[in-house]
Amino acid sequence: ETGVTQTPRHLVMGMTNKKSLKCEQHLGHNAMYWYKQSAKKPLELMFVYNFKEQTENNSVPSRFSPECPNSSHLFLHLHTLQPEDSALYLCASSQDGGEPYGYTFGSGTRLTVV
Amino acid sequence: DAKTTQPPSMDCAEGRAANLPCNHSTISGNEYVYWYRQIHSQGPQYIIHGLKNNETNEMASLIITEDRKSSTLILPHATLRDTAVYYCIVRVDISNFGNEKLTFGTGTRLTIIP
Repeated sequence: ETGVTQTPRHLVMGMTNKKSLKCEQHLGHNAMYWYKQSAKKPLELMFVYNFKEQTENNSVPSRFSPECPNSSHLFLHLHTLQPEDSALYLCASSQDGGEPYGYTFGSGTRLTVV
Repeated sequence: DAKTTQPPSMDCAEGRAANLPCNHSTISGNEYVYWYRQIHSQGPQYIIHGLKNNETNEMASLIITEDRKSSTLILPHATLRDTAVYYCIVRVDISNFGNEKLTFGTGTRLTIIP
């Protein structure tokens, strides 16, 4: 347990489904992130939230919709996904402006789109 | 352009020291060197970071050359559980320049041989 909890751990969804990924951090951090890791590719940063405000969207398709209701919770809403969106989705948190200790990652959600 | 260069894979015998190299010849004076590792299908885990001086913690040691153009991560007594992908990342000191995002490359796949 890293202090960043992601649910569900595994998700299989059809292309017409709507689902949400959840991330919760218990570290008192003020920044949260979504990363995508496709097979045999580096981690790709998707979204960044600082103090609940979205500060970065790395050209992510609109079928991915993030939500950050407070500094401890982060969601990724999914709709009309494509099979190529199958990947490991990782959430991370950090303390922006604090000591440069880097990010704490969750264990990820393994998403399969069928 | 990639900020760091790492060998794609390495093997190390169990119980021996694992030495993972990283080249970062274009590193700036305000950039830290971070090391993370990712065990199969889990989120990346912070290992260690440093600016100029060598660093040691309970997981590893980080040796940074005097010109800061390369570094080596040392796992002193490798175990089978150290089998993972190891990422070397350079990142601006966030306390002075704001929150630069962690950008991952392809890393080094370290396999510990029994």
